Amino acid sequence: DQQVKQNSPSLSVQEGRISILNCDYTNSMFDYFLWYKKYPAEGPTFLISISSIKDKNEDGRFTVFLNKSAKHLSLHIVPSQPGDSAVYFCAASVGTTSGTYKYIFGTGTRLKVLA
Amino acid sequence: GAGVSQTPSNKVTEKGKYVELRCDPISGHTALYWYRQSLGQGPEFLIYFQGTGAADDSGLPNDRFFAVRPEGSVSTLKIQRTERGDSAVYLCASSSSRTSNEQFFGPGTRLTVL
Repeated sequence: DQQVKQNSPSLSVQEGRISILNCDYTNSMFDYFLWYKKYPAEGPTFLISISSIKDKNEDGRFTVFLNKSAKHLSLHIVPSQPGDSAVYFCAASVGTTSGTYKYIFGTGTRLKVLA
Repeated sequence: GAGVSQTPSNKVTEKGKYVELRCDPISGHTALYWYRQSLGQGPEFLIYFQGTGAADDSGLPNDRFFAVRPEGSVSTLKIQRTERGDSAVYLCASSSSRTSNEQFFGPGTRLTVL
């Protein structure tokens, strides 16, 4: 049962254009969402996050939108740059009584920005 | 650098053998997480430590998997009687406090069980 889904395994975008990566989730208890970027042979690196009480968070070229009614979030990268080429993981978390903030990850979307 | 480090970077073993994977978290980070990433999948939660204690081990797949963090810093993930299905990248992450929701990941250990 995949609680976090990234239905597009790959995406190609021209340099300078907008990249939109999508993520859907099923668990309405999730209260925090994150995007991580992963290069080959490296661990995931944090990109941007959003709390469930917000619907938008922006950081430079990166903006995350959250639509709670649709259980959908998206990451917008504009303008896209060749260095953005990586695998992007959507993750969701819910705090537990043990203090865990364990992440539930999607399967990732491989973004390729073409020069 | 001061990031999360994991050793070894690669481990090849034979089915039935025992392996240990090590994680050095960022200095001062009290929370430590282990994840496993299989091919084509996202990382999957295994276990969480707050200090020395395993606060949540609900992601460990079976009793062949065990992890320790005896001094609240370095952690070791131990796998007994390895199986081919254990082949994956094992990722460690740490965060600065019980309430921090940003985890910093290490580069992972790629385990291959032949």
